[in-house]
Amino acid sequence: RKEVEQDPGPFNVPEGATVAFNCTYSNSASQSFFWYRQDCRKEPKLLMSVYSSGNEDGRFTAQLNRASQYISLLIRDSKLSDSATYLCVVNPDNAGNMLTFGGGTRLMVKP
Amino acid sequence: EPEVTQTPSHQVTQMGQEVILRCVPISNHLYFYWYRQILGQKVEFLVSFYNNEISEKSEIFDDQFSVERPDGSNFTLKIRSTKLEDSAMYFCASSEQGTTEAFFGQGTRLTVV
Repeated sequence: RKEVEQDPGPFNVPEGATVAFNCTYSNSASQSFFWYRQDCRKEPKLLMSVYSSGNEDGRFTAQLNRASQYISLLIRDSKLSDSATYLCVVNPDNAGNMLTFGGGTRLMVKP
Repeated sequence: EPEVTQTPSHQVTQMGQEVILRCVPISNHLYFYWYRQILGQKVEFLVSFYNNEISEKSEIFDDQFSVERPDGSNFTLKIRSTKLEDSAMYFCASSEQGTTEAFFGQGTRLTVV
């Protein structure tokens, strides 16, 4: 089983739509969770950390479900500039600082 | 906004040659990392570095690879005797102590021919 698994997409949505991505992780001891965004041939950029209680940053909401070992990202009122690949990232055991990346979900927002 | 910087942005090298990829982490960060991303694949962890020594490494990071912090600002990845399959984007990242929120440099695209 892959350590961090995501639907690769692409998700094609119109501007203004709400879109949600899920991600599952295999290591139940994982403690830290993040969403990164990656534009084509660019570096991953931290979008938001994911906390147990869930957290929101503007149009973006992240949720963590430890029992089911999945993480979600909700994007409201999609903008053209949201088009990118969204990477689910997990610190597998918190004993070190290495990050395990999912393969990413590609989002394309159309006018 | 402070950022991680990497040089060069693109390196082309012949198979069997040695390359050194350079990074300047964010100045108050204490943990440094190298990741790589082969074209079309996911980002993979190579190595983490703290307090002047390797703290973790993946199975990818074999004897062909080494890291060094030669001075107070630079962090380098050396790849000896490069192979065709080393062609990838190499990302340097850094994080503050006590957090795993890592910030990435813009990457060095390594092409081995």
